[in-house]
Amino acid sequence: DAKTTQPNSMESNEEEPVHLPCNHSTISGTDYIHWYRQLPSQGPEYVIHGLTSNVNNRMASLAIAEDRKSSTLILHRATLRDAAVYYCILRDSQTGANNLFFGTGTRLTVIP
Amino acid sequence: NAGVTQTPKFRILKIGQSMTLQCTQDMNHNYMYWYRQDPGMGLKLIYYSVGAGITDKGEVPNGYNVSRSTTEDFPLRLELAAPSQTSVYFCASSAVAYMNTEAFFGQGTRLTVV
Repeated sequence: DAKTTQPNSMESNEEEPVHLPCNHSTISGTDYIHWYRQLPSQGPEYVIHGLTSNVNNRMASLAIAEDRKSSTLILHRATLRDAAVYYCILRDSQTGANNLFFGTGTRLTVIP
Repeated sequence: NAGVTQTPKFRILKIGQSMTLQCTQDMNHNYMYWYRQDPGMGLKLIYYSVGAGITDKGEVPNGYNVSRSTTEDFPLRLELAAPSQTSVYFCASSAVAYMNTEAFFGQGTRLTVV
């Protein structure tokens, strides 16, 4: 799987927007961009995914650069419950189902 | 809807003991996965299954075994526990291959081998 690069940690004030960046310069045309997050002492949970176009759901928005070499997960209003480790993951639609490669992610701290 | 359920939540094993970590899902998903997560690290795939009767190795399969006799259940077996297997174990499932659908994770089993 192609590699992603994320900052180790970020901070945000409560109720402010948060932009979590992810670089994936070796992304292929068939790679989907997935985001998961892991709250303390819990299993990862799905946040959002996309291929080329920006995506919105009830949890977040995903902005994908035109060249697809980077993407940004946007939390519109951070809450204390959003404090978690956020993982940006690429999945190749051509090579089957055997893995989500989790790096070390970005640890988001939300300041009250 | 329970989703993915793992038991037990916590366990302490002595070196050389064996145990089975249970995982069951009620979403009729074909794909199931076992991951381990060491402190401060991301998750690493141990084994996965694409359907009943079919299993395959992931990145770190040594010291573990799995079986998949039903769609719902995917137990992970540790035969001779070693301190290096101290970790948090997560089971996950998805309807189809990961690339275009979400995966659902259990709450984890925290295992300590002493």
